[in-house]
Amino acid sequence: DAKTTQPPSMDCAEGRAANLPCNHSTISGNEYVYWYRQIHSQGPQYIIHGLKNNETNEMASLIITEDRKSSTLILPHATLRDTAVYYCIVRVGSGNTGKLIFGQGTTLQVKP
Amino acid sequence: DTAVSQTPKYLVTQMGNDKSIKCEQNLGHDTMYWYKQDSKKFLKIMFSYNNKELIINETVPNRFSPKSPDKAHLNLHINSLELGDSAVYFCASSPTGGANYGYTFGSGTRLTVV
Repeated sequence: DAKTTQPPSMDCAEGRAANLPCNHSTISGNEYVYWYRQIHSQGPQYIIHGLKNNETNEMASLIITEDRKSSTLILPHATLRDTAVYYCIVRVGSGNTGKLIFGQGTTLQVKP
Repeated sequence: DTAVSQTPKYLVTQMGNDKSIKCEQNLGHDTMYWYKQDSKKFLKIMFSYNNKELIINETVPNRFSPKSPDKAHLNLHINSLELGDSAVYFCASSPTGGANYGYTFGSGTRLTVV
């Protein structure tokens, strides 16, 4: 079972920041948090991941709380093309037996 | 060049048939996966292979048989297809082992069993 819970849907105005929350209260100390998105029926696309520290790349920022029980994905300037299902995932297991368990995700609708 | 490629993109077949889906990655990754996305859009891991060795088998019916001829390829063969096998199947790959790597997914194979 997925170790994360997310709101089923969110709206965001184009050009504004989109903040997508995720709860992972049962996360273990060595488990990473990943974010993926799926646009329409394409394959899931990697966005960002982190363990303890906040992370930023060209797509997004990931803010992880100090207790690691929740995180927020930030898309700084959402565009219409960011409309997608966003998955917050905790990678369970270790080494070669580790795996990404997807939950239901958040459907983000970016509106003009 | 496509990093993770799957063929075919669409597959329509009758119940009881046997079919295969192929996956190839050119990323030099050692680990490959099959995921199934059902009509409710829920993505579920089925198998993983590392250097041609089966690592994860998520209690998938034994009608599903993955085969990895080399670390760049992971094929999925399905025997005696059933209506419930209709789904989108995604292949993915990642570097070996460590948690500090993302998966790269293919664009999916939409299987429809009629």
